Amino acid sequence: EAGVAQSPRYKIIEKRQSVAFWCNPISGHATLYWYQQILGQGPKLLIQFQNNGVVDDSQLPKDRFSAERLKGVDSTLKIQPAKLEDSAVYLCASSSTRQGTAFKKTYEQYFGPGTRLTVT
Amino acid sequence: TQLLEQSPQFLSIQEGENLTVYCNSSSVFSSLQWYRQEPGEGPVLLVTVVTGGEVKKLKRLTFQFGDARKDSSLHITAAQPGDTGLYLCAGVSGDNDMRFGAGTRLTVKP
Repeated sequence: EAGVAQSPRYKIIEKRQSVAFWCNPISGHATLYWYQQILGQGPKLLIQFQNNGVVDDSQLPKDRFSAERLKGVDSTLKIQPAKLEDSAVYLCASSSTRQGTAFKKTYEQYFGPGTRLTVT
Repeated sequence: TQLLEQSPQFLSIQEGENLTVYCNSSSVFSSLQWYRQEPGEGPVLLVTVVTGGEVKKLKRLTFQFGDARKDSSLHITAAQPGDTGLYLCAGVSGDNDMRFGAGTRLTVKP
């Protein structure tokens, strides 16, 4: 089974420029997530899609970040314009529900390798 | 927004030693997950615990979910250099609302 694919793996841009990241989730996974991971920190959820609808974008800086998931498969995350503090690894993950014990559903996420963004 | 605190932040040990890392919160979770992340890669799921007091073993790794479902621990027996990495816990509440801790960066020296 192919994993989550992301591109590019690395990107260096100057502040105020624009950048876009692409993610292809595991086939059949309805839920897709974009995370920002700043050096030394855990991943922070930016946006969560269920199929092509947004479930949670409460932590997405909407003045400069945008994301879309057309047709409920691939997704793109865009930053425009970039700031120095946007330097981070941007992780994409996907998940499907699994019936766990005691009739509880668990949501196990599968991550891509990430895109390391450096803003200079 | 629940806050997950992981400790210690950094841990450096010799091969063969045992260690325990902790994940604590004031919030109750429906489930908790542990991931390991290696440099240049995304986190990889190790285990999911869902029941208070649950203990799961994965080879030399033992995971425990607190009785109150607010905390968890990961114990590694006879650590090996291949165990080196960033260990992240993630608490799940509500319907798929998951938040990560900052992680414990483990280095196992040969």
